[in-house]
Amino acid sequence: GESVGLHLPTLSVQEGDNSIINCAYSNSASDYFIWYKQESGKGPQFIIDIRSNMDKRQGQRVTVLLNKTVKHLSLQIAATQPGDSAVYFCAEDLRSYGKLTFGQGTILTVHP
Amino acid sequence: DGGITQSPKYLFRKEGQNVTLSCEQNLNHDAMYWYRQDPGQGLRLIYYSQIVNDFQKGDIAEGYSVSREKKESFPLTVTSAQKNPTAFYLCASTVRQSGANVLTFGAGSRLTVL
Repeated sequence: GESVGLHLPTLSVQEGDNSIINCAYSNSASDYFIWYKQESGKGPQFIIDIRSNMDKRQGQRVTVLLNKTVKHLSLQIAATQPGDSAVYFCAEDLRSYGKLTFGQGTILTVHP
Repeated sequence: DGGITQSPKYLFRKEGQNVTLSCEQNLNHDAMYWYRQDPGQGLRLIYYSQIVNDFQKGDIAEGYSVSREKKESFPLTVTSAQKNPTAFYLCASTVRQSGANVLTFGAGSRLTVL
């Protein structure tokens, strides 16, 4: 079946830098794309979503960009903090109710 | 506070034994889901239920069973037929709404087969 994948499995940044986490998707029928953050030993938490008819959406310190031409999604975190260290997953909302398809995940490590 | 409670947090099982993981939500959500997570992997859907007394197989249902007798509860049984059950199991729920289908996750249950 179609799947969502991530370009970079690990990302290390210094505190205060901006972080960019990338995701490639293959299903053009996806209606939404969602970013989750998962801290060690915990369940994923919702960060932000973007509808497929949008190019950009901003939240608090986070921005998601969607490029449908190349089927690419990115999550930008401004002024990265040690508390941002976690695994970040992108997921496709495939219209069928609740059947999100998750990517492999990117491990973000923020060094003080 | 509303949320999803999974128990136990850690569980050890001998080969050949069935185990049941509990998932309870007080969010009044209609749909509930079970995902499996292996190291270095994304989340894979095991089973999901959109309403009480109804559930559907996900992508990796073999060796698992579920029930949905109450809206609040969606227990997952890992049977002896599951050949590689050691994993982190996540329960989630959602309510039908406009916009993205955002799942709320529990804290997870880590199952280890000895």
